[in-house]
Amino acid sequence: KAGVTQTPRYLIKTRGQQVTLSCSPISGHRSVSWYQQTPGQGLQFLFEYFSETQRNKGNFPGRFSGRQFSNSRSEMNVSTLELGDSALYLCASSKRTSSSTDTQYFGPGTRLTVL
Amino acid sequence: KQEVTQIPAALSVPEGENLVLNCSFTDSAIYNLQWFRQDPGKGLTSLLLIQSSQREQTSGRLNASLDKSSGRSTLYIAASQPGDSATYLCAVNDRGSTLGRLYFGRGTQLTVWP
Repeated sequence: KAGVTQTPRYLIKTRGQQVTLSCSPISGHRSVSWYQQTPGQGLQFLFEYFSETQRNKGNFPGRFSGRQFSNSRSEMNVSTLELGDSALYLCASSKRTSSSTDTQYFGPGTRLTVL
Repeated sequence: KQEVTQIPAALSVPEGENLVLNCSFTDSAIYNLQWFRQDPGKGLTSLLLIQSSQREQTSGRLNASLDKSSGRSTLYIAASQPGDSATYLCAVNDRGSTLGRLYFGRGTQLTVWP
């Protein structure tokens, strides 16, 4: 069974540009979450989507947005890029069938570099 | 607000040693706790999930325990191998938040040398 896929794997942008990252969850998984990972801050939660609705949002500025489609695929967008947005962006999916056993499976990440 | 701490931040051991990684969390109202492994520049691989009602879980050479009342978990790795070298992350699923949000520690960077 295919795992979580993220595209693109690597991205180089300049300050002020915008970027869209894509995540395809494991087949049958309806929940998608996004995290930002940096050496300084570790893993920080961005958003969570379930059934095309944003269920939770982390403490990030409004430049960070996302959405989920009817096939559970998700995208996140960052507008007006800043140098500090350089990070590994990770997507995770889960079945959301049981609260106690809901394992999250992570994709390989998208490495974003802002110059 | 849930906070997760991992000790030590880094660990370097010779091959064959048994080792223990520690994780603590501040709020015991959790659904579950997960241990992940991350290789440099890669995504996270789920190792073990312990439900809040469980005390431990085992997978091969890995054993994870959970003491929810004291807010602690340990990951025991038996007979370590160079291929175990990676960063190990602990994460909790907090009952005060949504299921899709995990609270992560900063990780323990493990190096196993031959």
